[in-house]
Amino acid sequence: EAGVAQSPRYKIIEKRQSVAFWCNPISGHATLYWYQQILGQGPKLLIQFQNNGVVDDSQLPKDRFSAERLKGVDSTLKIQPAKLEDSAVYLCASSFLRQGGTEAFFGQGTRLTVV
Amino acid sequence: AQTVTQSQPEMSVQEAETVTLSCTYDTSENNYYLFWYKQPPSRQMILVIRQEAYKQQNATENRFSVNFQKAAKSFSLKISDSQLGDTAMYFCAFQADNQGGKLIFGQGTELSVKP
Repeated sequence: EAGVAQSPRYKIIEKRQSVAFWCNPISGHATLYWYQQILGQGPKLLIQFQNNGVVDDSQLPKDRFSAERLKGVDSTLKIQPAKLEDSAVYLCASSFLRQGGTEAFFGQGTRLTVV
Repeated sequence: AQTVTQSQPEMSVQEAETVTLSCTYDTSENNYYLFWYKQPPSRQMILVIRQEAYKQQNATENRFSVNFQKAAKSFSLKISDSQLGDTAMYFCAFQADNQGGKLIFGQGTELSVKP
């Protein structure tokens, strides 16, 4: 089966610019996650969707980050305006069920560099 | 709040030997799951092994096994017969049963397998 697809793989922007990342989860997976992985750290959850509804965005910096999941399939994560500290890898993951013990499948991530 | 700590930023092992990666966690939850994920240079997180907290028996997957000490809140990963392809970042992750699949990751351990 096809895995989680993300694009672009790399992005370099200047601070105060905007950027968007795209994720296509595994077919049939209702739960979608966006994680931020800063260099040298483990991933941190930014937002979680169940179908097209947000179930957890407690760690999303809402003054600059936004995300949507149209029709409960693809998702986009946007940063506007970007700051230097937003430089990180942005990982998208999906799972079939939204419950403990369910395996999350990850994409290859988008590496963002803000200069 | 839950926390996950990996105290070994880097480790190395000779090919065919055994290595153990350490992980400790803190939680007040009774029902939870623990995972080890592998992240090769391609950046895609791959599930290595999963442990249900209610199971006393340690999980094993081929060359990978865990030592789960619930009272001590310790969850170490043992890799036997190390192979060059095991070279990667390894992340320990915690998942509470009531948090919809959200993963809390440690800082990671970079493992190098030397020929």
